[in-house]
Amino acid sequence: GAGVSQSPSNKVTEKGKDVELRCDPISGHTALYWYRQSLGQGLEFLIYFQGNSAPDKSGLPSDRFSAERTGGSVSTLTIQRTQQEDSAVYLCASREDGLGYNEQFFGPGTRLTVL
Amino acid sequence: AQSVTQPDIHITVSEGASLELRCNYSYGATPYLFWYVQSPGQGLQLLLKYFSGDTLVQGIKGFEAEFKRSQSSFNLRKPSVHWSDAAEYFCAVGGATNKLIFGTGTLLAVQP
Repeated sequence: GAGVSQSPSNKVTEKGKDVELRCDPISGHTALYWYRQSLGQGLEFLIYFQGNSAPDKSGLPSDRFSAERTGGSVSTLTIQRTQQEDSAVYLCASREDGLGYNEQFFGPGTRLTVL
Repeated sequence: AQSVTQPDIHITVSEGASLELRCNYSYGATPYLFWYVQSPGQGLQLLLKYFSGDTLVQGIKGFEAEFKRSQSSFNLRKPSVHWSDAAEYFCAVGGATNKLIFGTGTLLAVQP
């Protein structure tokens, strides 16, 4: 079946502009995660959605970052007033809910470059 | 603080040689431990995971890892490396929410 998809695959923007990154999780997966992969910082957790529960936003680096998940499926990560340090690959992952641990499946990522 | 340390940033091995990638973690509760592989331009792929039970776990592509609680380690091994194993390898730890904390990665190069 289809995996996690993300769009766009690449995004180049100017400093100060807003960007939206999209994630389509695997159908039926109730958990969705956003991570950021950047030079010098490695892979960092950003935000986690689980069903209808309030999201865990503990990893968002500033109030310029926000995310939503509509209808328990597609998620959008929004970065307002982008800065050069926001340049990174943004990875989305989804997981099937259930007892114990189920694997997180990662999308190919969106490479964001802020000029 | 919760963290994962991969002390080797870059490793080069010859094809056919054995491989061991190191991973140490710090985690307050019982950890779930993972190894992921990322090939150039690709997403992360799960190699193997440990939750409980047998401390030696087998994964895909001939990889295995051993959980050593006393050393807070979860090292990845492969007895004979293939050229296609060249990639970046990430160790990660998670808990009940499965929110993952990653190490900084080890870049593996394979010499013919």
